[in-house]
Amino acid sequence: EVQLVESGGGLVQPGGSLRLSCVASGFTFNDYWMSWVRQAPGKGLEWVANIKQDGSEKYYVDSVKGRFTTSRDNAKNSLSLQMISLRAEDTAMYYCARISMAVAGQDYWGQGTLVTVSS
Amino acid sequence: DIQMTQSPSSLSASVGDRVTITCRASQGISNYLAWYQQKPGKVPKLLIYAASTLQSGVPSRFSGSGSGTDFTLTISSLQPEDVATYYCQKYSSAPWTFGQGTKVEIK
Repeated sequence: EVQLVESGGGLVQPGGSLRLSCVASGFTFNDYWMSWVRQAPGKGLEWVANIKQDGSEKYYVDSVKGRFTTSRDNAKNSLSLQMISLRAEDTAMYYCARISMAVAGQDYWGQGTLVTVSS
Repeated sequence: DIQMTQSPSSLSASVGDRVTITCRASQGISNYLAWYQQKPGKVPKLLIYAASTLQSGVPSRFSGSGSGTDFTLTISSLQPEDVATYYCQKYSSAPWTFGQGTKVEIK
């Protein structure tokens, strides 16, 4: 069974930093692109980042470029999202998601970890 | 960047009704489009990819069509368990933008 478990969310002050983690199981992690998607409270889905199987390609939404960095450790089946210079508008549930083998959308999602940026 | 616009933002229909949701891309994206269903309090679920290919396990009452800039998601016979918000997403190139969502309710 495919499982994605996020952790690391919490309350942080504006300008602060946070590192999210996602541990994958139930599939061959290094065969898949991975994604981060977020959802502000009561709002729609926003794609945040994608990372290739070997970490050699990474893509980000403009609003987080230069502030967020995604990485992966295939030996540990883990995905990370390092977030710095956090803003109130980064408050959201952050989902780790597997991109399908056909690279056609996200076919499995974690339960999410909540990040709240507030003073 | 390519923008994705869904319509309507919400709809209310009766059980058994045919429901259609539209997604329009600001530029052509061929068939690089996915549809997701997010039930209240749940994580999103992939329904359709490549504009019209049903993800494994998704009921056949869901279907997708379109290419280029105009796409539709159709529920042929609305069921109570279909109450959810539906999102389109383009994946032709980064950013993988989502539409703003369409909330479907039962009348």
